[in-house]
Amino acid sequence: GAGVSQSPSNKVTEKGKDVELRCDPISGHTALYWYRQSLGQGLEFLIYFQGNSAPDKSGLPSDRFSAERTGGSVSTLTIQRTQQEDSAVYLCASSARAQETQYFGPGTRLLVL
Amino acid sequence: RKEVEQDPGPFNVPEGATVAFNCTYSNSASQSFFWYRQDCRKEPKLLMSVYSSGNEDGRFTAQLNRASQYISLLIRDSKLSDSATYLCVVISYNQGGKLIFGQGTELSVKP
Repeated sequence: GAGVSQSPSNKVTEKGKDVELRCDPISGHTALYWYRQSLGQGLEFLIYFQGNSAPDKSGLPSDRFSAERTGGSVSTLTIQRTQQEDSAVYLCASSARAQETQYFGPGTRLLVL
Repeated sequence: RKEVEQDPGPFNVPEGATVAFNCTYSNSASQSFFWYRQDCRKEPKLLMSVYSSGNEDGRFTAQLNRASQYISLLIRDSKLSDSATYLCVVISYNQGGKLIFGQGTELSVKP
């Protein structure tokens, strides 16, 4: 079946604008994760959804970041009032269940001018 | 101190060489361990899981030492196509299954 897909592939925005990034996990996967990879930096965890449980938001860097997962499938990561330091590749991953192998999408490259 | 630390790179080796990557983790509650591979401008892809008994997949061998909180990856007879960044990854069950990544070690295999 299809892997994890993300859209858009690339996004250029102006400082102060809001952006929405979308993730379609592998069908049937109950766990969904968002990570961020900044230039020259490692991958850092942002937020995690598991089934109907409350999400783990411990990695979100500020209250400008939020995410939701509708119907246990598609997820949207929203960044409000974007800043230049938000420029990064935003990666989504899903796994059949928590602690199982995570499969990554191709990422969204965000550039904030 | 980072929760997962890897050898600084880059590693530049000739084809056919054997190369070893080392990784240490600080959270003793870490339960699952992986090596991921990331090609330039691509997403990370699982290379192999790492077990206490050690495991081998072709030219790749991974080892875990829980007492020392140390993970290794050995690549034998390296190929040009092995050039990539290798990421050491742990999951701590007390952190809900999220992956904790090392900063990655870049490998460049030259002809």
